[in-house]
Amino acid sequence: EAAVTQSPRNKVAVTGGKVTLSCNQTNNHNNMYWYRQDTGHGLRLIHYSYGAGSTEKGDIPDGYKASRPSQENFSLILELATPSQTSVYFCASGDEGPQFFGPGTRLTVL
Amino acid sequence: QQQVRQSPQSLTVWEGETAILNCSYENSAFDYFPWYQQFPGEGPALLISILSVSNKKEDGRFTIFFNKREKKLSLHIADSQPGDSATYFCAASALPGTGSNRLTFGKGTKFSLIP
Repeated sequence: EAAVTQSPRNKVAVTGGKVTLSCNQTNNHNNMYWYRQDTGHGLRLIHYSYGAGSTEKGDIPDGYKASRPSQENFSLILELATPSQTSVYFCASGDEGPQFFGPGTRLTVL
Repeated sequence: QQQVRQSPQSLTVWEGETAILNCSYENSAFDYFPWYQQFPGEGPALLISILSVSNKKEDGRFTIFFNKREKKLSLHIADSQPGDSATYFCAASALPGTGSNRLTFGKGTKFSLIP
């Protein structure tokens, strides 16, 4: 029943490896967002999308790519993961007003 | 630069007290202010929100007070309960329906009750 789901929920990766985080929403929203959350920084926007086929850079896009193959799905891609990308990542969807968040993915890069 | 600031970083009160969480912003284009509640291990969840045309919004024990001239708002939690212990985020964006709902978040206030 959850409207925004993320997978995997936990991920351990090695430095230099490729990581793909996936997000699915059933809210039928056009807009989707990827954030990372770190202690002392709150939520910071990495990439967002206005609809299938579109991706836009957020406030901290370096080291990340995004892909929006459909209305429902939005992926965050780390081509060459680094330990500084260890964080909790949240996906959200929302068109006007509030955004609705998924449960998060905890990523550890060793 | 940080456009949305929250204070205090952490707040502890007795059960039954009223807690006040503060938020201020810099961008005059911000007109929509949602507050999110986040429990450990979960994503943020919308708690209550206000538009800049209002100076007060109530929802049960939660009330937002908004001062547009001073660019400040506060979240009041009345009759604090153990289940209110969470991190609260203030966020801001342009008016809904104006083309963008990119949210700018504060760093959060960690709220807990004295056991």
